[in-house]
Amino acid sequence: EAQVTQNPRYLITVTGKKLTVTCSQNMNHEYMSWYRQDPGLGLRQIYYSMNVEVTDKGDVPEGYKVSRKEKRNFPLILESPSPNQTSLYFCATVNQGSNTEAFFGQGTRLTVV
Amino acid sequence: AQKVTQAQTEISVVEKEDVTLDCVYETRDTTYYLFWYKQPPSGELVFLIRRNSFDEQNEISGRYSWNFQKSTSSFNFTITASQVVDSAVYFCALKVNSGYSTLTFGKGTMLLVSP
Repeated sequence: EAQVTQNPRYLITVTGKKLTVTCSQNMNHEYMSWYRQDPGLGLRQIYYSMNVEVTDKGDVPEGYKVSRKEKRNFPLILESPSPNQTSLYFCATVNQGSNTEAFFGQGTRLTVV
Repeated sequence: AQKVTQAQTEISVVEKEDVTLDCVYETRDTTYYLFWYKQPPSGELVFLIRRNSFDEQNEISGRYSWNFQKSTSSFNFTITASQVVDSAVYFCALKVNSGYSTLTFGKGTMLLVSP
């Protein structure tokens, strides 16, 4: 079964405490990305990766880091979280080509106090 | 650059009413894909439909139907005889087929169906 697994689902943390949200996919897709969702703003892309060791900024990359050491994993790192990073985060993988389809993780609801 | 506009921020209807959610997109690519996703209160994104730019045939799936019109760059979604379980945020998204590309989302339409 095609899956994108994010962890944790819910997280409350304090300002400045480094955290990592993990994302793993079992579809061998090259393309992975992170989105954040905020009320009235829809989903905005944070970072994306076209393959192992290839990452690039999306629309709202400030305050985030990513890494892509293996094809299946694409963690999102917040080195020093701030309250304006309180949001709902989604990891996605997309298969490119004529049968293009996007698969999303279940989301991570992050609160930074 | 791509853009998706969902002009309706919030729609409220009473059960059994029909409702149409609008989606207008912009792209210079000739090959692209359009999507609709549903986000229920539980938060996950549920895939509803994908349409490619070469297929303008309208589609019906149960109470759901989609009207794709390239001439007006629109991909509207209609729910017939709405039900309370249809209450959710609905997102329209666009992906072009040039190289590696991501999904560009609209800001979403919140649909509230009252009993």
